[in-house]
Amino acid sequence: EAGVTQSPTHLIKTRGQQATLRCSPISGHTSVYWYQQALGLGLQFLLWYDEGEERNRGNFPPRFSGRQFPNYSSELNVNALELEDSALYLCASSQGTGVNTEAFFGQGTRLTVV
Amino acid sequence: DQQVKQNSPSLSVQEGRISILNCDYTNSMFDYFLWYKKYPAEGPTFLISISSIKDKNEDGRFTVFLNKSAKHLSLHIVPSQPGDSAVYFCAASSANAGGTSYGKLTFGQGTILTVHP
Repeated sequence: EAGVTQSPTHLIKTRGQQATLRCSPISGHTSVYWYQQALGLGLQFLLWYDEGEERNRGNFPPRFSGRQFPNYSSELNVNALELEDSALYLCASSQGTGVNTEAFFGQGTRLTVV
Repeated sequence: DQQVKQNSPSLSVQEGRISILNCDYTNSMFDYFLWYKKYPAEGPTFLISISSIKDKNEDGRFTVFLNKSAKHLSLHIVPSQPGDSAVYFCAASSANAGGTSYGKLTFGQGTILTVHP
């Protein structure tokens, strides 16, 4: 069974540009979560999508957005990139949302803003 | 506001000995706690979890202890092996009112564990 896959693995963008990161969840998983791990920090929750809808978002500005497609894959878009957006972006998926839910993570996309 | 804290950035242990990783939380709404392990260039992988109705959960060499009154949990690895060397993240979740998910996790900053042969 394929795990959570993310693309691209690495992405280099210039300040002010837009970045698009992609995530394919494990088959059968309907919830997708996005996290940011900036240098020296823990994983910070960004967004949660379930059944095509944004259900919750973390404390990030509106230029961080995304969507979930009918096949449950997801995109994270970061507009007007700033240098501090450089981070590892991790996607996770889960089959449910109740207690004992286990979120499985992809390998991440390393975004570098120059 | 760091709701989940891992105050030790790093821990060094000899192979065969016990590794104890600690985690504190401040949000009393958290009722499910997890430990993840992360190698460089890989995503975190789930290790072990514990519900707030328990105070201990064991899985092979890994045991998680929860002290709700102190809002503290710890991960014990016995015996430690060099392959255990990684970053360990403590995470917490809850499904309080307002529509959220136990899959939405609040992470600590991580502890780098190094197990020496």
